Amino acid sequence: ETGVTQSPTHLIKTRGQQVTLRCSSQSGHNTVSWYQQALGQGPQFIFQYYREEENGRGNFPPRFSGLQFPNYSSELNVNALELDDSALYLCASSPDRGRPDTQYFGPGTRLTVL
Amino acid sequence: EDQVTQSPEALRLQEGESSSLNCSYTVSGLRGLFWYRQDPGKGPEFLFTLYSAGEEKEKERLKATLTKKESFLHITAPKPEDSATYLCAVQAGNYGGSQGNLIFGKGTKLSVKP
Repeated sequence: ETGVTQSPTHLIKTRGQQVTLRCSSQSGHNTVSWYQQALGQGPQFIFQYYREEENGRGNFPPRFSGLQFPNYSSELNVNALELDDSALYLCASSPDRGRPDTQYFGPGTRLTVL
Repeated sequence: EDQVTQSPEALRLQEGESSSLNCSYTVSGLRGLFWYRQDPGKGPEFLFTLYSAGEEKEKERLKATLTKKESFLHITAPKPEDSATYLCAVQAGNYGGSQGNLIFGKGTKLSVKP
């Protein structure tokens, strides 16, 4: 059984560009949640996908969007990057969308916006 | 507004010196309180879930307790390998349109010196 993987590990972009981050969920998990963790802060919920549909969204603007694929892997897309988007982006997969204690987090993608 | 506050921000202990970390919360309809450990450059690792006031959970040198307004993570006779950031999170009744999402505190960075 493989764990949650994310790619790329690190990424550097400039302001105004677009970025796509990827998450491969753990086998058997149908739910993926994305979080943004700024330096020195706790993770902040962006959105959750359950069986390819968005299933809840935090306080993030529409330029943050996502997808979940039939194999339950997921993408996070961010358009028109801003300096404040620099953060560690975490995905977490779960077999039960209502049970955070069943979530497994990936190692994250470190995004730097210059 | 749903909120989670952790204290202290940082804690330095000598090996064997027991202490407690605090997590206070205000949330409408608490569904669960979660403790995570996060090592540098990694995603959070689940430790405990607490559901109701008076509940306690233990794992090795860690013990988590819950009251109606706060939770404590007690560390007994810590070792250097316990050094990490400890995150507290709550699952609210209806946050972001999904029941599976978490509101995190900023964390307590624990350093244990030999």
